[in-house]
Amino acid sequence: AQSVSQHNHHVILSEAASLELGCNYSYGGTVNLFWYVQYPGQHLQLLLKYFSGDPLVKGIKGFEAEFIKSKFSFNLRKPSVQWSDTAEYFCAVNARTGFQKLVFGTGTRLLVSP
Amino acid sequence: KAGVTQTPRYLIKTRGQQVTLSCSPISGHRSVSWYQQTPGQGLQFLFEYFSETQRNKGNFPGRFSGRQFSNSRSEMNVSTLELGDSALYLCASSLAASAQQETQYFGPGTRLLVL
Repeated sequence: AQSVSQHNHHVILSEAASLELGCNYSYGGTVNLFWYVQYPGQHLQLLLKYFSGDPLVKGIKGFEAEFIKSKFSFNLRKPSVQWSDTAEYFCAVNARTGFQKLVFGTGTRLLVSP
Repeated sequence: KAGVTQTPRYLIKTRGQQVTLSCSPISGHRSVSWYQQTPGQGLQFLFEYFSETQRNKGNFPGRFSGRQFSNSRSEMNVSTLELGDSALYLCASSLAASAQQETQYFGPGTRLLVL
């Protein structure tokens, strides 16, 4: 069975600080990897995704993530956060060979102070 | 293109009642998945439908059921509600049944409170 671990449950940063949120998954086969974001009062939105190819993927709002296969990791990064990045961030995986079933991490609440 | 829509947005029920939630996928999307989001358990997969067939099911009791119609709209039903069923129920849609390079897009959710 697949599982996803997000190591940071709460992160507090000042504006302009750099961000890195950890995500590790457990699964023996090929996976698709996603980061979703849930802004306060809004629905879950896709931030970025990795299917294959270049392991460094860029998403919306200046976010990027790097897939490191040997470490089963898909960490999210942003060089300079803004107050508007305050949200909850979820890492998710699904097995490439199965049907649609996303397995989510527990989420990381990010608070950016102005 | 309109996103995934869910109705109702908020619902209050009492223990023992049943509830039906509705989801309309993005136009052209044929796969609909349901998830439960709670503070304690996070986001958990309930089930997935494609072409009116349940293709995958999560680890939830039989009180949780669903169906999909020929227009890809989906409903989920929870019978004999328990306090622990209070949650945000999310619907997601995608184009195809397989997970091959497919992305799920989420609706705003239905917030269910069981008293």
